[in-house]
Order: sequence, then C-alpha cells, then structure tokens
Amino acid sequence: SQQGEEDPQALSIQEGENATMNCSYKTSINNLQWYRQNSGRGLVHLILIRSNEREKHSGRLRVTLDTSKKSSSLLITASRAADTASYFCATDEADSSYKLIFGSGTRLLVRP
Amino acid sequence: NAGVTQTPKFQVLKTGQSMTLQCAQDMNHEYMSWYRQDPGMGLRLIHYSVGAGITDQGEVPNGYNVSRSTTEDFPLRLLSAAPSQTSVYFCASSYSTGRETQYFGPGTRLLVL
Repeated sequence: SQQGEEDPQALSIQEGENATMNCSYKTSINNLQWYRQNSGRGLVHLILIRSNEREKHSGRLRVTLDTSKKSSSLLITASRAADTASYFCATDEADSSYKLIFGSGTRLLVRP
Repeated sequence: NAGVTQTPKFQVLKTGQSMTLQCAQDMNHEYMSWYRQDPGMGLRLIHYSVGAGITDQGEVPNGYNVSRSTTEDFPLRLLSAAPSQTSVYFCASSYSTGRETQYFGPGTRLLVL
C-alpha cells in the first residue's frame, strides 16, 4: 500500500525559527492531510489540501503540494516551544475513499 | 461533545488472553477506523468501517476482529494476544470517508507479556 514518508525524521530548531517538513507519497491521491501528535496523546488534524490545490495556509502553517513530484511540505513559521510534537502526513488512495495511510512522522523539537 | 473516547487507557495482557478495546464517538460519524502505532513506524490501519454493519480490512488486520452494530461504537477485539500486538491503539472517526479530517481518540496503550 502507498505510504507518505516524512523527511527529516527529526528536526531541532530554536524558538522563533521556521520549521520545514517534507512528505513524499507513491501513487495518485485525492487529498493530503497533516496531523500533529503531542507526546503520549492522540493525533490532531492541522490542515487538508486537495490534489487540485497547490498551497494552503492556516495561521502559522503553510502547506504546499506538488502532485507532479508526489510531495508536500509543511512550514511552521516563527516556531514556539509549544510546537514541539511529531508531525505526520496522511494520504488517501485516488481509487478508494476509505483508507487513510500515514507516514512515519517528523519529530520536531523547538528549543526555548 | 466528548468526541472520540477510548477505553481502557492502559492494559497488560498475557500471551493468549483475549480482550476488547472500546471506541465510541458522539458526532454521528459514519466512518470509523482503528490504527496501531509502533515506535518509528507511524500509524498503520487495522480495520475500518463506513457505517453500521459494514467493516473492512486495512493494512494489518491479522489477529484483530471488529464489528459495527451501532453508529457510535466500533470495538476492536484481540482473540489471542501475542507480544507482537504490544502497541498503542488509536481509534478515529470522520463524517463519511477516509479522505476527510479524522478525529482521533486519546489511545489505548497495550502491553502483551
């Protein structure tokens, strides 16, 4: 089955810096989603971008999608210590609306 | 709204024991799913349901059974627990499909000895 793969696996930055995480996937999709997981907690939805969209913003988050390269990026601007978490991309399958497949995630540490 | 709730929060089993992980949602969502999360492997889909009475397999269904008798509840059954099933289990729901925003429960941490 297809799976999004995040890069890098881990990222450590200083508070106030920007954080960029990348996701690659294998087959055609309808939507790509990004989720955040704080340590020991469930996942929280951040943003959904459709295959016909190239960029989407939500507060300090910016997501881009390049379907020709089968890749997406999540940019967190002006990071805060509270942004410390794991970030996952998730993709559906173009011919199925029932399965959402997650990548292995990027662990972000924002140092105060 | 309570959202998605899961019980228990933590469970220890011996190899061969059976148990049921409970999941409930109060958002009238049709789509519900179960994932397991292992260190460094992200979330893997176990089973999903698109409505009461309808279930299907995900990526890693072996060793797990599900049923969906009501819209609200989607229990996950381990018939004979194995150490390989030690993991954190998450239940999620959405309005109708896996393409939409998923709402996750807090998780159940399972240790099989």
